[in-house]
Amino acid sequence: ILNVEQSPQSLHVQEGDSTNFTCSFPSSNFYALHWYRWETAKSPEALFVMTLNGDEKKKGRISATLNTKEGYSYLYIKGSQPEDSATYLCAFNFNTNAGKSTFGDGTTLTVKP
Amino acid sequence: DAGVIQSPRHEVTEMGQEVTLRCKPISGHDYLFWYRQTMMRGLELLIYFNNNVPIDDSGMPEDRFSAKMPNASFSTLKIQPSEPRDSAVYFCASTPGGGGQGRNNEQFFGPGTRLTVL
Repeated sequence: ILNVEQSPQSLHVQEGDSTNFTCSFPSSNFYALHWYRWETAKSPEALFVMTLNGDEKKKGRISATLNTKEGYSYLYIKGSQPEDSATYLCAFNFNTNAGKSTFGDGTTLTVKP
Repeated sequence: DAGVIQSPRHEVTEMGQEVTLRCKPISGHDYLFWYRQTMMRGLELLIYFNNNVPIDDSGMPEDRFSAKMPNASFSTLKIQPSEPRDSAVYFCASTPGGGGQGRNNEQFFGPGTRLTVL
């Protein structure tokens, strides 16, 4: 069974705090790992795609790392702002069926002003 | 490109009625996915197509649900008869596919259809 697990399920932080969440996935047959940002009442939008062990991606205050050997990825937000409030989804592509992404349940971040 | 287009954006119907949701994927994308978002189960994959062919429909809840993709630019998800427990937001997404890793597997989501079955 292919499992993508995200933790924590939810997170409440104060404006200005830095935070991070985890996505765990099977370490075998890796193809790609994606992070999506999903705001309430909108649709998920891609943040990053990572394909190589050790990949690091950054977009403004948000960054992500990838460890394919141990099967995890971290998403970091530096100096959280209220507009960062959203659900962050990770999605894994299995190399035997790379067209399909398996999504985690997401981490819901709430940033209080 | 206009992105993935879904219609209608909102649908309110009565139990027992037939509901048809529509999706136009991004031109040139090989994969099309139908998802359902509920409070209890998060983002749930219902079915997906590759080059208009259904590949995996194991997520379709029951025989009341059916999906078609008659051509590369159009897909429908039909519920007949609808029930109150079908109330949810239904997303369509498309993916470029093809060779190479990374962005070829990125999913582009439509705005969703919010379905309410009374």
